[in-house]
Amino acid sequence: GDSVTQMEGPVTLSEEAFLTINCTYTATGYPSLFWYVQYPGEGLQLLLKATKADDKGSNKGFEATYRKETTSFHLEKGSVQVSDSAVYFCALRDMRFGAGTRLTVKP
Amino acid sequence: GAVVSQHPSRVICKSGTSVKIECRSLDFQATTMFWYRQFPKQSLMLMATSNEGSKATYEQGVEKDKFLINHASLTLSTLTVTSAHPEDSSFYICSARIGTVPGNTIYFGEGSWLTVV
Repeated sequence: GDSVTQMEGPVTLSEEAFLTINCTYTATGYPSLFWYVQYPGEGLQLLLKATKADDKGSNKGFEATYRKETTSFHLEKGSVQVSDSAVYFCALRDMRFGAGTRLTVKP
Repeated sequence: GAVVSQHPSRVICKSGTSVKIECRSLDFQATTMFWYRQFPKQSLMLMATSNEGSKATYEQGVEKDKFLINHASLTLSTLTVTSAHPEDSSFYICSARIGTVPGNTIYFGEGSWLTVV
C-alpha cells in the first residue's frame, strides 16, 4: 500500500542555514505529493505541492521537486529563519502522512 | 482562504460515554472530509474518508462501530467516539477537500483534544 518515509528529526539549525528534509514514498501510479507545516499551537497548513513528475512546488522560499526516478520529494530552503520553526509533514495523495520532522531554527 | 472549524477544541468525558466532534467547512462545500488521529509527537493517522451522503470508508484497523462518522451535508461531518475508553484519548483532526479531485487543496481543522477519564 501507499506509504511515506520521512527523515526523522528533530533538526536544529542556525538562522540562514540550508535546510533539507528528506521524503520518499511508495505508491502505485503517480500520486500527488504534498508538504504541510504545523506551527506551534496551530493546525496543519499546506506549504506546497506537486501533482506530476518533475513538477516543482514552491512557497515561502521552500521548494520540493517531484522525482519519479527516486520516488522522492525532498523539502529544501536556502536560508531558514527563526519563524520557520515548526513541524513539517510530507504527504502522499494528501492522505498518507510521514512521521513529521520538527525543525528548530536558532538566531 | 477556506476555513475548516472543529468543535469542541477540547473535551473531557467519562469512560463508557460517547462524545461527538464536529467538523465544518465554513465557506466552501466539502464533498470529501477526512478524519485523522494524532498521537503526541507522532504523525497523523488517517482513520476514515467521509463522502457526503454515503458511508465513510474506514482504514484498516479502525473500528467503524466505535468511531461513527456521519457526513450529512456538504459543510458538516461528525465523528462520534462511542463507549470511550482512556486509550481513545488523543488529538483528532479533520480536513476537507474542495470538490472531488485528488490533488485539490485540503484544509485542516484546528483539531480536537479528547481526554477520557
